[in-house]
Amino acid sequence: AQSVTQLDSQVPVFEEAPVELRCNYSSSVSVYLFWYVQYPNQGLQLLLKYLSGSTLVKGINGFEAEFNKSQTSFHLRKPSVHISDTAEYFCAVRLGSSNTGKLIFGQGTTLQVKP
Amino acid sequence: DAMVIQNPRYQVTQFGKPVTLSCSQTLNHNVMYWYQQKSSQAPKLLFHYYDKDFNNEADTPDNFQSRRPNTSFCFLDIRSPGLGDAAMYLCATSREKNGIQYFGAGTRLSVL
Repeated sequence: AQSVTQLDSQVPVFEEAPVELRCNYSSSVSVYLFWYVQYPNQGLQLLLKYLSGSTLVKGINGFEAEFNKSQTSFHLRKPSVHISDTAEYFCAVRLGSSNTGKLIFGQGTTLQVKP
Repeated sequence: DAMVIQNPRYQVTQFGKPVTLSCSQTLNHNVMYWYQQKSSQAPKLLFHYYDKDFNNEADTPDNFQSRRPNTSFCFLDIRSPGLGDAAMYLCATSREKNGIQYFGAGTRLSVL
């Protein structure tokens, strides 16, 4: 069965420091990969996606992620975080063979940016 | 401007009292999804509509139903809410089944 593991439930970091949020997935078939951000009491906003092509993808708000097929990872990075980046971050996969578009989400990582 | 709109943002219901959550979209997307997100957990797909075709996830309880009267609107009906149904309910849309999903702000349901 397919699954998504976000290795850190909480990541505290100081403002202007770099951050990496880790995501690993388990699938025997091709996948599409996504990162969503959720601010308190809000819905999910798409940060970036990997569908094909370059394994380094850039998203909104200065975030980027790298797809590593051999390590089945899709870690999210930002070189310098702001207080406003404090939120919950979800990694998600969609099977390449899916005929429903179903997203399978990780458990989420809470990014806490401190002044 | 919000493209996927969920009403209400907060809903309180009583144990066993039917409740309906609403989702509307201005994107004219073919697919509409309902996810349940319990506290500190990942969103979990309940079901989706592709146009008028309803697709239920195998582990979605019978207590949860959905209606899509037209392209723009989709409703989530909980026939007899239990305490365990308290959660954030997220609606999402996509143009096609494998398209990017756009989420609404969610409805937080409390069951007393």
